[in-house]
Formats: sequence, C-alpha cells, structure tokens
Amino acid sequence: AQTVTQSQPEMSVQEAETVTLSCTYDTSESDYYLFWYKQPPSRQMILVIRQEAYKQQNATENRFSVNFQKAAKSFSLKISDSQLGDAAMYFCAYRTPYNNNDMRFGAGTRLTVKP
Amino acid sequence: DTAVSQTPKYLVTQMGNDKSIKCEQNLGHDTMYWYKQDSKKFLKIMFSYNNKELIINETVPNRFSPKSPDKAHLNLHINSLELGDSAVYFCASSQGGNYNSPLHFGNGTRLTVT
Repeated sequence: AQTVTQSQPEMSVQEAETVTLSCTYDTSESDYYLFWYKQPPSRQMILVIRQEAYKQQNATENRFSVNFQKAAKSFSLKISDSQLGDAAMYFCAYRTPYNNNDMRFGAGTRLTVKP
Repeated sequence: DTAVSQTPKYLVTQMGNDKSIKCEQNLGHDTMYWYKQDSKKFLKIMFSYNNKELIINETVPNRFSPKSPDKAHLNLHINSLELGDSAVYFCASSQGGNYNSPLHFGNGTRLTVT
C-alpha cells in the first residue's frame, strides 16, 4: 500500500524567510502524481502545487516550489518570502491510477509564520 | 458560484441519531469523494463514486451510507451516530477520476456527536 509521511508535525518561519516542508512516500508504482494542499484555519483545502512523477523538472507556483527526488521518494515544499497568510496546515498527497485514483494524504505539517 | 458545496457547515447531534450531509459540485466532474478528517487533522478517504458508481469503499462502518443520485451530487447518511463519529467530513470532486487531476474540496462539515 502507498503511504505518505510528513515527519514534521510543526514548523515555524519568520516572515519573509524561506521554509521547507518535508514529505516522503512509499510506492512500487512508476506512474503517479504528487500534490501539496494548504488548509488554513478556515478549514478550506487549497491546492498549492502538483508534480507528475515522469517530469524531472521541479514544479513552481510563484513563491512555492518543490524539490522532487524520485529515487529517494521525496517531495518537499519550499515556501519563499513567507507571508503571514501562509500560516496553515500543509498536506502532502499522492495519487496513482493503480488504486482507483485514490488520493492518499500525509499527516500534515502545521506551519506558523512569525511577524 | 461555489464549486463544491456541502451542507450543513456544522452539525451537532446526540448519540443514536441519524443525520445526512449533502454535497453538490458544479464543476462538471464525474468523480466525487467523501473524506474524514479526525481531531489530529488526518485525512482518510471513505468513499468514491464515479458516474454514480461506487468505486472506493474503505473500511467504514456500515452505519455510513453514501448515495449518489447523479454525478453532481454525493450525499452521506450516517445511522446511529456514535461519539467517535465526531470529525470534519469533506466532500471532493475531480475530473474523470484521472490521477493527474487535483481534488476540489468543499469547505467541510464539522460533525459533533454528544
């Protein structure tokens, strides 16, 4: 079974600084997608960024970028120039066509941004 | 113009009651999901429907019964509610069940069983 591990239950960053959230996954499949979702206190689940396993180039969305290391099964999220509005729970997720397209989530990392 | 909407937003009820949560999406997606988020924020899939057909049914007590009258709606009915059912329940949808398609989530329903 595929599993997603986020080893950092909590992280904090100073406003305007950079922070990296870790995610590793375990799979025997070669075809899959990885996602990062943000859940602010409002409870809404917001897609931050996604990465296809076949693409070597790391995905970037404005201040958010990933470091995808396929061999190491690692998918970390880097947030640059952190803003107060970045404070939220961040969930790493994995999805493959071999399991009814089920999306599996990690346990989440709570990010605090200090002014 | 909400993409995925759930009702109610909050639900407080007593043990033993039966309750339903409704979900509707206007994105034209044909796959819908129910996820449960527990008090530790862990998200776990419960059910998935594709074109009204059940395709994922995780180990969930049979007190939980999903119903999909059409591909834009997926409701969750819970019988004989228990304290352990207290959680946030999220409805989500995606395009064609394709693994490269992100899930679009509703805002969740916070269920509190007393």
